[in-house]
Amino acid sequence: DTEVTQTPKHLVMGMTNKKSLKCEQHMGHRAMYWYKQKAKKPPELMFVYSYEKLSINESVPSRFSPECPNSSLLNLHLHALQPEDSALYLCASSQDGGNEQFFGPGTRLTVL
Amino acid sequence: KQEVTQIPAALSVPEGENLVLNCSFTDSAIYNLQWFRQDPGKGLTSLLLIQSSQREQTSGRLNASLDKSSGRSTLYIAASQPGDSATYLCAVRPLYSGGGADGLTFGKGTHLIIQP
Repeated sequence: DTEVTQTPKHLVMGMTNKKSLKCEQHMGHRAMYWYKQKAKKPPELMFVYSYEKLSINESVPSRFSPECPNSSLLNLHLHALQPEDSALYLCASSQDGGNEQFFGPGTRLTVL
Repeated sequence: KQEVTQIPAALSVPEGENLVLNCSFTDSAIYNLQWFRQDPGKGLTSLLLIQSSQREQTSGRLNASLDKSSGRSTLYIAASQPGDSATYLCAVRPLYSGGGADGLTFGKGTHLIIQP
């Protein structure tokens, strides 16, 4: 298995909703990442987990809450989002911090 | 702060041409450089990874070079095909000390169209 999967593919939520994005990999990778990509912009790093511990938080607002339950799973919990948070959320993994990063297909999030 | 620039921003060429995409970065203290392609509304597909100690990498019709001292990388695509149409992104990973991982800093990409 050489892929990163993300669910759901699309998500529409209101500003008062609570939802979660899920990312999974079975490549034995020990580093996992969340990126945010706005339309016609490059991906921007949000969080990095290394060996299931949060190692980087790029000053992301607290309405985004990451979680790494085990070495294969990465979640992003969403609460009280704003319309400007609408974007493509990409998950990636790598064998460790220095290796090639593999990306999932992303979750297209729309906040109404 | 690392800045990554890609030139040109857009490129349209007829099928069969060889072409070069350029990437430059301001801080030469990088661990590696990775080239991706992204189709509209999709995730990123990794094309090539070049470690900082390497000069080039090849995969099929793709060849990427790295000149770390001058802060430049190029992606060469041979015999272009309509299926190569996509946005190509260059990304660098910084050097780090100690444990932990680090994310990538991306350029804005080159939007490539190959005309049949």
